[in-house]
Amino acid sequence: GIQVEQSPPDLILQEGANSTLRCNFSDSVNNLQWFHQNPWGQLINLFYIPSGTKQNGRLSATTVATERYSLLYISSSQTTDSGVYFCAVVETSGSRLTFGEGTQLTVNP
Amino acid sequence: EPEVTQTPSHQVTQMGQEVILRCVPISNHLYFYWYRQILGQKVEFLVSFYNNEISEKSEIFDDQFSVERPDGSNFTLKIRSTKLEDSAMYFCASSSHGLSEAFFGQGTRLTVV
Repeated sequence: GIQVEQSPPDLILQEGANSTLRCNFSDSVNNLQWFHQNPWGQLINLFYIPSGTKQNGRLSATTVATERYSLLYISSSQTTDSGVYFCAVVETSGSRLTFGEGTQLTVNP
Repeated sequence: EPEVTQTPSHQVTQMGQEVILRCVPISNHLYFYWYRQILGQKVEFLVSFYNNEISEKSEIFDDQFSVERPDGSNFTLKIRSTKLEDSAMYFCASSSHGLSEAFFGQGTRLTVV
């Protein structure tokens, strides 16, 4: 099955800093989503982005499907951005989401 | 805003017991899923369900597990003869079609003692 690798595994920032999270995948995909898992364990949808670029406030994401990677940008980070960020993909032959291991983000005041 | 709802939010059960986790998907969605996340690990796919039948299942989804859509709104996951290693957060998700954005419920934290 498809492999999804996220980097870095851990990231510690000071409030106000910018960051880039990366997601590499090993095969062609029909769907790519970014999620934020908050401290209560909820998976919050950030982006549905199988290709192209989207922006939502301080967050933006870019997927280059032909090169099999996606980037999540967080600008002017806030303590509430802390949590685990997951990338998940659906490969062309299926309908299941395959998740990466996640990036644990800690934003300190 | 429409959302996926799951009940209960927490469940503690004794080893060997059967549990039923319940989900109400978004009303106009046609594809339903169960995922699980063992503490500290990544989210894993269990099963997808479309048109009243299983469309895809993972190696984890063995005879211990079953899914059902008993009526027009609920989607359930039954786990028989629970084991300690079944302790996890179970997520229900739904999407309007197989390749569209999936939305997740808040999860049911299952603890088997």
